[in-house]
Amino acid sequence: SQQGEEDPQALSIQEGENATMNCSYKTSINNLQWYRQNSGRGLVHLILIRSNEREKHSGRLRVTLDTSKKSSSLLITASRAADTASYFCATATIQGAQKLVFGQGTRLTINP
Amino acid sequence: SQTIHQWPATLVQPVGSPLSLECTVEGTSNPNLYWYRQAAGRGLQLLFYSVGIGQISSEVPQNLSASRPQDRQFILSSKKLLLSDSGFYLCAWSAWPRFSGNTIYFGEGSWLTVV
Repeated sequence: SQQGEEDPQALSIQEGENATMNCSYKTSINNLQWYRQNSGRGLVHLILIRSNEREKHSGRLRVTLDTSKKSSSLLITASRAADTASYFCATATIQGAQKLVFGQGTRLTINP
Repeated sequence: SQTIHQWPATLVQPVGSPLSLECTVEGTSNPNLYWYRQAAGRGLQLLFYSVGIGQISSEVPQNLSASRPQDRQFILSSKKLLLSDSGFYLCAWSAWPRFSGNTIYFGEGSWLTVV
């Protein structure tokens, strides 16, 4: 069964604006990860946040995690055309920690 | 550094024909290995994962099988392809966990079209 669900499914913004994507999940997790996929390519890991963390930063990326609401958000600040891609959240449950379950992804388009 | 190779990158196969996708990882030992499938414009579906040689866990009953004949080799196979097997197949690995939930590293994927 699908664990993570991203929202929105698609997002289109102007270059320079901030992009926010959300992820909700159903069961208790060990950690939550965000990945990026350029069209027709493999996925690239962006950031991992553990269940005991609430916020994490990496460059222009900011991830939050609210375990009480079973949700996470990915914020990309000062977006660039090169940020155009699909973004996926993936959860590692405590029971199945050796595998990640991915959501359906958010398709982000940055308009120049 | 670790690298993952997956091939072929693209293939078109007739219905009923066999399939073999191969994946190898370099620069690490005893990795966890994964096969995911992605339908067009959709998320990733975990098909198989392996934590060691000869050990395969199947996530979804289907027309496919996986094997791990060597520590860093993972093969996805089918004896008879169906139209519904078309999709983008991704091999991935993660380090043998000293703690749970390691990052997964993906290959570049294989596009399979069954006609």
